[in-house]
Amino acid sequence: EAGVAQSPRYKIIEKRQSVAFWCNPISGHATLYWYQQILGQGPKLLIQFQNNGVVDDSQLPKDRFSAERLKGVDSTLKIQPAKLEDSAVYLCASSVEGSYEQYFGPGTRLTVT
Amino acid sequence: DQQVKQNSPSLSVQEGRISILNCDYTNSMFDYFLWYKKYPAEGPTFLISISSIKDKNEDGRFTVFLNKSAKHLSLHIVPSQPGDSAVYFCAARPNSGYALNFGKGTSLLVTP
Repeated sequence: EAGVAQSPRYKIIEKRQSVAFWCNPISGHATLYWYQQILGQGPKLLIQFQNNGVVDDSQLPKDRFSAERLKGVDSTLKIQPAKLEDSAVYLCASSVEGSYEQYFGPGTRLTVT
Repeated sequence: DQQVKQNSPSLSVQEGRISILNCDYTNSMFDYFLWYKKYPAEGPTFLISISSIKDKNEDGRFTVFLNKSAKHLSLHIVPSQPGDSAVYFCAARPNSGYALNFGKGTSLLVTP
């Protein structure tokens, strides 16, 4: 079974630029999550999708972050414009609907200079 | 507001001995707890979990203990192996949703 795929793996941008990350969840997983992991911290949930609908985006900085999950499969997370404090690893995870266990992708390491 | 706390940033254990990783939580609405293991440049990997209706769950060398009255859980690894060297995250899920709250992680080093 293929795992959660993410791209790119690494990205370096200057502040005020925009960036987008892509995630392809495990086939059949209806629930998709985006997490932000700042160095030395645990992952923090940004947004949760159930199929193509948003379940929880309470911790998403909506003035600069946006996410979509068209057709209930792939998802993209965008930051526009980026700030220095957005430097982090962005993790995508997926799970079977109703399951507690989430499967994580390798993450995208973003550096904002 | 850190609702899941792992107060030991690092732990070093000799191969063959027991590793004990601790986790405390503050939210009494958490009803499911998970441990994830993370190697560098990889995403966290699910290791073991426990429901709040249990006090112990065992899977091979890994055992998780839950003390609800103390709001404390621990992960025991016996015997520890060098391949267990990784960062271990404790996570908790509230009974009203699926979002996981993570601790900051404990870096385990198992030395030969």
